Amino acid sequence: AQTVTQSQPEMSVQEAETVTLSCTYDTSESDYYLFWYKQPPSRQMILVIRQEAYKQQNATENRFSVNFQKAAKSFSLKISDSQLGDAAMYFCAYRSPNTGNQFYFGTGTSLTVIP
Amino acid sequence: KAGVTQTPRYLIKTRGQQVTLSCSPISGHRSVSWYQQTPGQGLQFLFEYFSETQRNKGNFPGRFSGRQFSNSRSEMNVSTLELGDSALYLCASSLGDSFNQPQHFGDGTRLSIL
Repeated sequence: AQTVTQSQPEMSVQEAETVTLSCTYDTSESDYYLFWYKQPPSRQMILVIRQEAYKQQNATENRFSVNFQKAAKSFSLKISDSQLGDAAMYFCAYRSPNTGNQFYFGTGTSLTVIP
Repeated sequence: KAGVTQTPRYLIKTRGQQVTLSCSPISGHRSVSWYQQTPGQGLQFLFEYFSETQRNKGNFPGRFSGRQFSNSRSEMNVSTLELGDSALYLCASSLGDSFNQPQHFGDGTRLSIL
């Protein structure tokens, strides 16, 4: 089975600063997708950003960007200009057609934003 | 477009009982996946249904079962409830025909076992 590892259970950042959440994954596949989801205290999981393994260019969505290192099997999320609303649990997820399209999630990183 | 709807939001049961949770996916989505979320284990995949057929299954005992109807709505059933079944159960839907599609999650059902 594929594994997704988030080694930082908790992180904190000052408002307006930048924070990077790490994620590594284990796979022998060459074609797959990676996702970052956010789960605020209201508990609904929201897609933040996604990256296709074949694309070398790192995905960017406004203040959110990723650093995708395919050889290192690393997929970190950078949040710039952190806002109070960014406080949430962040989950990294992996999906591949060769694993039945099943999503594999990491255990999450709890992000606190300090005013 | 309405999002993924899960009912009920909260549920309290006692050991040995059974429970049925419901999930209505986004209109047009044919894939529905179920996850169990606990503080220590994160999100654990239960199963996925696509066009009324179970397409994937996680490592959960047979007490956990599901089904999907022709309108793509899905139900999950847990029989002989145990204390360890207390968790947030999340449902997620997607179009289901390509692996590059993200899943869209509902608000979850919080199940508490007394």
